[in-house]
Amino acid sequence: EVQLVESGGGLVQPGGSLRLSCAASGFTFSSYAMSWVRQAPGKGLEWVSTISGSGVKTYYADSVKGRFTISRDNSKNTLYLQVSSLRAEDTALYHCATVVSNWFDMWGQGTLVTVSS
Amino acid sequence: SYVLTQPPSVSVAPGETARITCGGNNIGSKSVHWYQQKPGQAPVLVIYYDGDRPSGIPERFSGSKSGNTATLTISRVEAGDEADYYCQVWDNSSEHNWIFGGGTKLTVL
Repeated sequence: EVQLVESGGGLVQPGGSLRLSCAASGFTFSSYAMSWVRQAPGKGLEWVSTISGSGVKTYYADSVKGRFTISRDNSKNTLYLQVSSLRAEDTALYHCATVVSNWFDMWGQGTLVTVSS
Repeated sequence: SYVLTQPPSVSVAPGETARITCGGNNIGSKSVHWYQQKPGQAPVLVIYYDGDRPSGIPERFSGSKSGNTATLTISRVEAGDEADYYCQVWDNSSEHNWIFGGGTKLTVL
Protein backbone atom coordinates (compact mmCIF):
# COMPACT_ATOMS: atom_id res chain seq x y z
CA GLU A 1 0.00 0.00 0.00
CA VAL A 2 1.34 3.41 -0.98
CA GLN A 3 1.79 5.72 1.98
CA LEU A 4 2.93 9.33 2.04
CA VAL A 5 3.25 10.90 5.48
CA GLU A 6 4.15 14.55 5.83
CA SER A 7 5.64 16.18 8.91
CA GLY A 8 7.52 19.28 9.99
CA GLY A 9 4.79 21.88 9.83
CA GLY A 10 4.04 24.32 12.61
CA LEU A 11 3.65 27.92 13.67
CA VAL A 12 6.43 30.19 12.48
CA GLN A 13 6.93 33.95 12.46
CA PRO A 14 7.10 35.93 9.23
CA GLY A 15 10.58 35.64 7.78
CA GLY A 16 11.16 32.31 9.49
CA SER A 17 12.00 28.89 8.11
CA LEU A 18 10.91 25.27 8.37
CA ARG A 19 11.85 21.97 6.78
CA LEU A 20 8.94 19.82 5.70
CA SER A 21 9.38 16.08 5.21
CA CYS A 22 7.40 13.43 3.38
CA ALA A 23 8.11 9.79 4.24
CA ALA A 24 7.18 7.44 1.43
CA SER A 25 6.53 3.71 1.49
CA GLY A 26 4.86 1.01 -0.57
CA PHE A 27 6.49 1.88 -3.90
CA THR A 28 9.91 2.35 -5.50
CA PHE A 29 10.47 5.92 -4.38
CA SER A 30 13.41 6.71 -6.65
CA SER A 31 11.38 5.83 -9.74
CA TYR A 32 8.93 8.67 -9.23
CA ALA A 33 9.07 12.41 -9.52
CA MET A 34 7.56 13.99 -6.44
CA SER A 35 5.76 17.26 -5.82
CA TRP A 36 4.54 19.55 -3.10
CA VAL A 37 1.06 21.02 -3.49
CA ARG A 38 -0.40 23.42 -0.94
CA GLN A 39 -3.87 24.53 0.02
CA ALA A 40 -4.49 27.72 1.96
CA PRO A 41 -7.36 27.53 4.47
CA GLY A 42 -10.65 27.48 2.59
CA LYS A 43 -8.90 27.90 -0.76
CA GLY A 44 -7.98 25.76 -3.75
CA LEU A 45 -4.97 23.68 -4.67
CA GLU A 46 -1.71 25.38 -5.67
CA TRP A 47 1.28 23.55 -7.12
CA VAL A 48 4.49 24.51 -5.28
CA SER A 49 7.43 22.44 -6.52
CA THR A 50 8.45 19.23 -8.28
CA ILE A 51 11.65 17.16 -8.25
CA SER A 52 12.66 14.40 -10.63
CA GLY A 53 13.21 10.84 -9.42
CA SER A 54 16.98 11.25 -9.43
CA GLY A 55 16.77 14.66 -7.79
CA VAL A 56 18.65 16.34 -10.62
CA LYS A 57 15.78 18.42 -11.98
CA THR A 58 13.72 20.77 -9.86
CA TYR A 59 10.84 23.10 -10.70
CA TYR A 60 9.18 25.86 -8.68
CA ALA A 61 6.09 28.02 -8.83
CA ASP A 62 6.90 31.69 -9.28
CA SER A 63 5.31 32.43 -5.88
CA VAL A 64 8.00 30.44 -4.04
CA LYS A 65 11.02 30.62 -6.34
CA GLY A 66 14.12 31.71 -4.46
CA ARG A 67 12.53 31.05 -1.07
CA PHE A 68 11.72 27.32 -1.13
CA THR A 69 14.05 24.41 -1.93
CA ILE A 70 12.87 20.91 -2.80
CA SER A 71 15.14 17.92 -2.30
CA ARG A 72 14.98 14.18 -1.73
CA ASP A 73 16.98 11.38 -0.15
CA ASN A 74 16.27 8.21 -2.09
CA SER A 75 18.20 6.12 0.43
CA LYS A 76 15.69 7.21 3.08
CA ASN A 77 12.61 7.30 0.81
CA THR A 78 12.02 10.86 1.95
CA LEU A 79 11.08 14.08 0.19
CA TYR A 80 11.85 17.48 1.69
CA LEU A 81 10.79 21.08 1.27
CA GLN A 82 12.90 23.76 2.90
CA VAL A 83 10.67 26.80 3.26
CA SER A 84 12.33 30.12 4.07
CA SER A 85 11.52 33.84 4.17
CA LEU A 86 7.98 32.82 5.03
CA ARG A 87 5.08 35.17 4.50
CA ALA A 88 1.52 35.17 5.79
CA GLU A 89 0.34 34.03 2.35
CA ASP A 90 2.42 30.85 2.70
CA THR A 91 0.03 29.66 5.42
CA ALA A 92 -1.38 26.42 4.05
CA LEU A 93 -1.66 22.66 4.30
CA TYR A 94 1.30 21.26 2.37
CA HIS A 95 0.70 17.92 0.62
CA CYS A 96 3.32 15.75 -1.01
CA ALA A 97 2.28 13.74 -4.05
CA THR A 98 3.71 11.28 -6.54
CA VAL A 99 3.94 12.51 -10.11
CA VAL A 100 2.99 10.17 -12.96
CA SER A 101 3.45 11.66 -16.43
CA ASN A 102 2.09 15.15 -15.68
CA TRP A 103 -0.54 14.44 -13.02
CA PHE A 104 -0.50 13.82 -9.28
CA ASP A 105 -1.25 10.20 -8.59
CA MET A 106 -1.09 9.59 -4.83
CA TRP A 107 -1.33 12.23 -2.13
CA GLY A 108 -0.43 12.52 1.53
CA GLN A 109 -2.74 14.04 4.14
CA GLY A 110 -0.55 17.13 4.49
CA THR A 111 1.28 19.11 7.15
CA LEU A 112 0.05 22.54 8.23
CA VAL A 113 2.29 25.58 8.08
CA THR A 114 1.02 28.69 9.83
CA VAL A 115 2.92 31.95 9.40
CA SER A 116 1.94 34.47 12.03
CA SER A 117 3.50 36.79 14.57
CA SER B 1 0.50 32.43 -17.09
CA TYR B 2 -2.04 29.80 -18.05
CA VAL B 3 -5.45 29.99 -16.33
CA LEU B 4 -8.10 27.31 -15.82
CA THR B 5 -11.62 28.54 -15.03
CA GLN B 6 -14.17 26.45 -13.13
CA PRO B 7 -17.63 27.41 -11.84
CA PRO B 8 -17.52 27.86 -8.04
CA SER B 9 -20.46 25.57 -7.48
CA VAL B 10 -22.70 22.99 -9.12
CA SER B 11 -25.81 21.48 -7.56
CA VAL B 12 -27.58 18.31 -8.60
CA ALA B 13 -30.22 15.97 -7.20
CA PRO B 14 -29.34 12.36 -6.38
CA GLY B 15 -29.57 10.12 -9.42
CA GLU B 16 -29.11 12.99 -11.84
CA THR B 17 -26.04 13.86 -13.91
CA ALA B 18 -23.52 16.49 -12.78
CA ARG B 19 -21.31 18.28 -15.27
CA ILE B 20 -18.36 20.32 -14.05
CA THR B 21 -16.55 22.43 -16.63
CA CYS B 22 -12.97 23.61 -16.87
CA GLY B 23 -12.14 26.32 -19.38
CA GLY B 24 -8.72 27.26 -20.69
CA ASN B 25 -7.19 28.76 -23.79
CA ASN B 26 -6.34 26.02 -26.29
CA ILE B 27 -7.09 23.38 -23.64
CA GLY B 28 -7.60 20.92 -26.48
CA SER B 29 -3.83 20.71 -26.86
CA LYS B 30 -3.31 19.79 -23.21
CA SER B 31 -4.09 16.71 -21.15
CA VAL B 32 -6.63 17.45 -18.42
CA HIS B 33 -6.75 15.66 -15.10
CA TRP B 34 -9.44 15.79 -12.41
CA TYR B 35 -9.31 15.40 -8.63
CA GLN B 36 -11.99 14.92 -5.99
CA GLN B 37 -11.44 16.32 -2.50
CA LYS B 38 -13.82 15.61 0.33
CA PRO B 39 -13.72 17.75 3.50
CA GLY B 40 -10.69 17.02 5.66
CA GLN B 41 -9.25 14.56 3.15
CA ALA B 42 -6.44 14.57 0.62
CA PRO B 43 -7.33 14.96 -3.06
CA VAL B 44 -7.97 11.80 -5.05
CA LEU B 45 -7.31 11.46 -8.78
CA VAL B 46 -10.56 10.53 -10.55
CA ILE B 47 -9.72 11.20 -14.22
CA TYR B 48 -6.38 11.44 -16.05
CA TYR B 49 -5.50 12.04 -19.69
CA ASP B 50 -8.84 13.76 -20.30
CA GLY B 51 -11.01 10.69 -19.82
CA ASP B 52 -9.15 7.73 -18.31
CA ARG B 53 -10.17 6.41 -14.90
CA PRO B 54 -7.71 5.11 -12.31
CA SER B 55 -8.48 1.71 -10.86
CA GLY B 56 -11.12 1.91 -8.18
CA ILE B 57 -12.91 4.94 -9.63
CA PRO B 58 -16.52 4.13 -10.60
CA GLU B 59 -17.54 4.16 -14.25
CA ARG B 60 -20.01 6.90 -13.31
CA PHE B 61 -17.06 9.31 -13.56
CA SER B 62 -16.06 10.33 -17.07
CA GLY B 63 -14.16 13.14 -18.74
CA SER B 64 -14.31 14.84 -22.11
CA LYS B 65 -13.11 17.90 -24.00
CA SER B 66 -14.65 20.14 -26.64
CA GLY B 67 -13.25 23.40 -27.92
CA ASN B 68 -11.76 25.37 -25.03
CA THR B 69 -13.61 23.41 -22.35
CA ALA B 70 -13.01 20.15 -20.53
CA THR B 71 -15.89 18.53 -18.66
CA LEU B 72 -16.07 16.10 -15.77
CA THR B 73 -19.35 14.20 -15.88
CA ILE B 74 -20.69 12.28 -12.92
CA SER B 75 -23.65 10.08 -13.78
CA ARG B 76 -26.23 8.81 -11.29
CA VAL B 77 -24.90 11.15 -8.63
CA GLU B 78 -24.81 9.84 -5.06
CA ALA B 79 -24.64 11.69 -1.76
CA GLY B 80 -21.06 10.45 -1.37
CA ASP B 81 -20.00 12.36 -4.49
CA GLU B 82 -20.43 15.67 -2.68
CA ALA B 83 -16.97 17.20 -2.73
CA ASP B 84 -14.72 19.80 -4.29
CA TYR B 85 -13.48 18.95 -7.77
CA TYR B 86 -10.35 20.39 -9.38
CA CYS B 87 -9.10 20.23 -12.94
CA GLN B 88 -5.36 20.35 -13.66
CA VAL B 89 -3.06 20.62 -16.66
CA TRP B 90 0.67 20.75 -17.21
CA ASP B 91 1.78 23.89 -19.00
CA ASN B 92 5.20 23.85 -20.60
CA SER B 93 4.77 27.11 -22.50
CA SER B 94 7.40 28.81 -20.38
CA GLU B 95 8.87 26.84 -17.51
CA HIS B 96 7.35 23.67 -16.25
CA ASN B 97 4.14 24.50 -14.44
CA TRP B 98 1.39 22.40 -13.04
CA ILE B 99 -1.82 24.44 -13.09
CA PHE B 100 -5.01 23.85 -11.11
CA GLY B 101 -8.43 25.29 -11.71
CA GLY B 102 -10.02 27.16 -8.84
CA GLY B 103 -12.22 24.22 -7.89
CA THR B 104 -15.94 23.49 -8.01
CA LYS B 105 -18.05 22.59 -4.99
CA LEU B 106 -20.50 19.85 -5.97
CA THR B 107 -23.59 19.87 -3.77
CA VAL B 108 -25.97 16.92 -3.84
CA LEU B 109 -29.41 18.28 -3.03
